[in-house]
Amino acid sequence: DTGVSQNPRHKITKRGQNVTFRCDPISEHNRLYWYRQTLGQGPEFLTYFQNEAQLEKSRLLSDRFSAERPKGSFSTLEIQRTEQGDSAMYLCASSVQGFSYSPLHFGNGTRLTVT
Amino acid sequence: GEDVEQSLFLSVREGDSSVINCTYTDSSSTYLYWYKQEPGAGLQLLTYIFSNMDMKQDQRLTVLLNKKDKHLSLRIADTQTGDSAIYFCAEAHDKIIFGKGTRLHILP
Repeated sequence: DTGVSQNPRHKITKRGQNVTFRCDPISEHNRLYWYRQTLGQGPEFLTYFQNEAQLEKSRLLSDRFSAERPKGSFSTLEIQRTEQGDSAMYLCASSVQGFSYSPLHFGNGTRLTVT
Repeated sequence: GEDVEQSLFLSVREGDSSVINCTYTDSSSTYLYWYKQEPGAGLQLLTYIFSNMDMKQDQRLTVLLNKKDKHLSLRIADTQTGDSAIYFCAEAHDKIIFGKGTRLHILP
């Protein structure tokens, strides 16, 4: 169990550029979640997957955001035409849901700075 | 809707007990969590409780759940300087909803 891995750790981009983050969950975890955390706030839910199916998307997730989990393993979160308000820590978490259960385990996050 | 409320700050003397409180709104929550976040670090799972339990103890940590009042608390016995962090309460049904966090400050 190597934990949830997120890459890159930091990303600095200019406004208007596209960025993509990757999350590798704990193997055998069937659920994968994306959250966003800004300074002084708790993590805000963005979206989650059960295997490869995206089951829910938050209203926070504008059309510029898209997430995929094509083979039910790793996931990517893409932000198109980045804005300064997108600057935040993007957190990925995974868990097991079904016949067995595990709580949410978080990665260390990708910190995005939009200049 | 779903919402989780916590007080933002708590100051406690080293060696005393800390009690962090949380209220939530989703009566269908199946699990409730406490996470710890130290400066610049990720979220560390401290403990969780199933909604059909009313208490869980794990070493210095005691979680109390009042499902009728939708109130959750975390008690840290013999608080140490290493306990200084932000503590997040979270409720879970399908997705997990977090509070804004309680910053625990330890006084010498």
